[in-house]
Amino acid sequence: SQQGEEDPQALSIQEGENATMNCSYKTSINNLQWYRQNSGRGLVHLILIRSNEREKHSGRLRVTLDTSKKSSSLLITASRAADTASYFCATPALSGNTGKLIFGQGTTLQVKP
Amino acid sequence: DTGVSQDPRHKITKRGQNVTFRCDPISEHNRLYWYRQTLGQGPEFLTYFQNEAQLEKSRLLSDRFSAERPKGSFSTLEIQRTEQGDSAMYLCASSFRQGSEETQYFGPGTRLLVL
Repeated sequence: SQQGEEDPQALSIQEGENATMNCSYKTSINNLQWYRQNSGRGLVHLILIRSNEREKHSGRLRVTLDTSKKSSSLLITASRAADTASYFCATPALSGNTGKLIFGQGTTLQVKP
Repeated sequence: DTGVSQDPRHKITKRGQNVTFRCDPISEHNRLYWYRQTLGQGPEFLTYFQNEAQLEKSRLLSDRFSAERPKGSFSTLEIQRTEQGDSAMYLCASSFRQGSEETQYFGPGTRLLVL
């Protein structure tokens, strides 16, 4: 089953604008991860934020985590056409020793040149 | 290229046929995962191996599905008597767990279409 909801489901912006995607999850977490998937391809790991962190940066990416609201956001600044992709949040299942990831439904981002 | 590889990239088959997919993980990774992704959805966990041991299977993995990882290296996922509902992207990922965190590296996926 999916972990939660991502919002919006689809986003279309102009190159140079910022893009913000939100993710809500249902259970307690140790960390939350964001992945990017180009059309019809595998997933690429973008960033991991631990449950005791509130904000993390990596290049043009900024991730926030609010464990009280069970939500996270991914901000891509100064977007480029190459950022066009689907973006997924994922959390590791806490039960057992498995590292299996539970993914959201994703946000499809289109950046127009 | 030392990333995760999957073969084939695309497979079209007729309902009732058997298919087998292969995943070659990053060589030093001890964990290997299989996920299934349908159109417009996020990936869903199917099963995972630590070395050669299959430690967890999702209830999504019906009796028609079997996965192996002999010698703890490459893995195969076989679907017997395929059904149209099996049409999906099958993703493989590998990782090396350190402490309580791990980053999974995904292959390009095998897209299956059952006619």
